[in-house]
Amino acid sequence: NAGVMQNPRHLVRRRGQEARLRCSPMKGHSHVYWYRQLPEEGLKFMVYLQKENIIDESGMPKERFSAEFPKEGPSILRIQQVVRGDSAAYFCASSEGYSNQPQHFGDGTRLSIL
Amino acid sequence: DQQVKQNSPSLSVQEGRISILNCDYTNSMFDYFLWYKKYPAEGPTFLISISSIKDKNEDGRFTVFLNKSAKHLSLHIVPSQPGDSAVYFCAASERQGAQKLVFGQGTRLTINP
Repeated sequence: NAGVMQNPRHLVRRRGQEARLRCSPMKGHSHVYWYRQLPEEGLKFMVYLQKENIIDESGMPKERFSAEFPKEGPSILRIQQVVRGDSAAYFCASSEGYSNQPQHFGDGTRLSIL
Repeated sequence: DQQVKQNSPSLSVQEGRISILNCDYTNSMFDYFLWYKKYPAEGPTFLISISSIKDKNEDGRFTVFLNKSAKHLSLHIVPSQPGDSAVYFCAASERQGAQKLVFGQGTRLTINP
């Protein structure tokens, strides 16, 4: 499967725990984006990364959220001390980074906070 | 501040007819626009895009029209098929390609047999 791979597909955490969401971009893609979708809403941009660099994190909450895209391995979105309001679908997308190239999305991780 | 708006939450169309989905934007810096289709429990699937230097782009049954002066774009699907039933999102970015996307709220399209 050459598409964007996200895991886990479903993640359940209790309030106060940590959530780690992983994303492997499409082969040949070096740009990764994270988006969050709340129920009945559109997707909201969170962060844009290239290998070992955060390019734009203007959509990330100031506290508890962090993201990385290491030289080796998948991109990780980490949410510390989760709260009920973090329950959402988190989507990762990747692109080649050139003009006129769309972002391609994974099937998301559905995070539920008990 | 909703920079991309899809004012119709839902649309119902008969199979074989034309489906027209609309999208308005407010940010004059947007210059690349995309349409995505989304089924439940799946990620958005890219359908078609258009650059601000064009006013129309066509791919098979899908055509996107861009009216820059009105800050409006539309997606036409003809003929509509049952498999087209999904939620459609329009999205925009300020620079083509490697920039964050701003999404509309989505329009749920139902194709009736």
